[in-house]
Amino acid sequence: SQKIEQNSEALNIQEGKTATLTCNYTNYSPAYLQWYRQDPGRGPVFLLLIRENEKEKRKERLKVTFDTTLKQSLFHITASQPADSATYLCALENSGGGADGLTFGKGTHLIIQP
Amino acid sequence: ETGVTQTPRHLVMGMTNKKSLKCEQHLGHNAMYWYKQSAKKPLELMFVYSLEERVENNSVPSRFSPECPNSSHLFLHLHTLQPEDSALYLCASSRLLTGGFDGYTFGSGTRLTVV
Repeated sequence: SQKIEQNSEALNIQEGKTATLTCNYTNYSPAYLQWYRQDPGRGPVFLLLIRENEKEKRKERLKVTFDTTLKQSLFHITASQPADSATYLCALENSGGGADGLTFGKGTHLIIQP
Repeated sequence: ETGVTQTPRHLVMGMTNKKSLKCEQHLGHNAMYWYKQSAKKPLELMFVYSLEERVENNSVPSRFSPECPNSSHLFLHLHTLQPEDSALYLCASSRLLTGGFDGYTFGSGTRLTVV
């Protein structure tokens, strides 16, 4: 069965350091992978999309890598700030294409300590 | 505001009640979605609409009934719910049915409590 795995443990990072979050998947052949941020009691907010033919994507302090051989994406936040504290979700489009919507991982709760 | 507005933000209902959740987007998006988010669980896709046509029903119990009267509005009608249906219900939209261009835009959700 298709599975998306994110580190379910909270990740504590010191302010100013780089936070690295992992998303692993099985039984998918995704054309692209997405990352979202979710704050408590709010809906997810789209951050970045990376396609299968892209190794790396950057947006300001965010960087995403995508390794289709390892079936893994890494999400980095450089120069982390307490305001970056949130849950980060990775998402893949299901094998049926857009009609099946996106499937999300459980998310990793990131805590940036001052 | 994200451009996707959900009302109400909070709802408490009894198991015999009938209520509706409303979602509205004016982003010009062609696809809309209902997701359920329970504590400690990933988002669960419930329904997918593209150009007002339902294209997916993920084996959702019939006590949940979606309606999409036009491309800007989406409803989720609720009746005879169970306490385990208590969750955050999220509406999302995307420019195209595939989110492969610019992702989904989510509303802030409706926190539903069934008593």
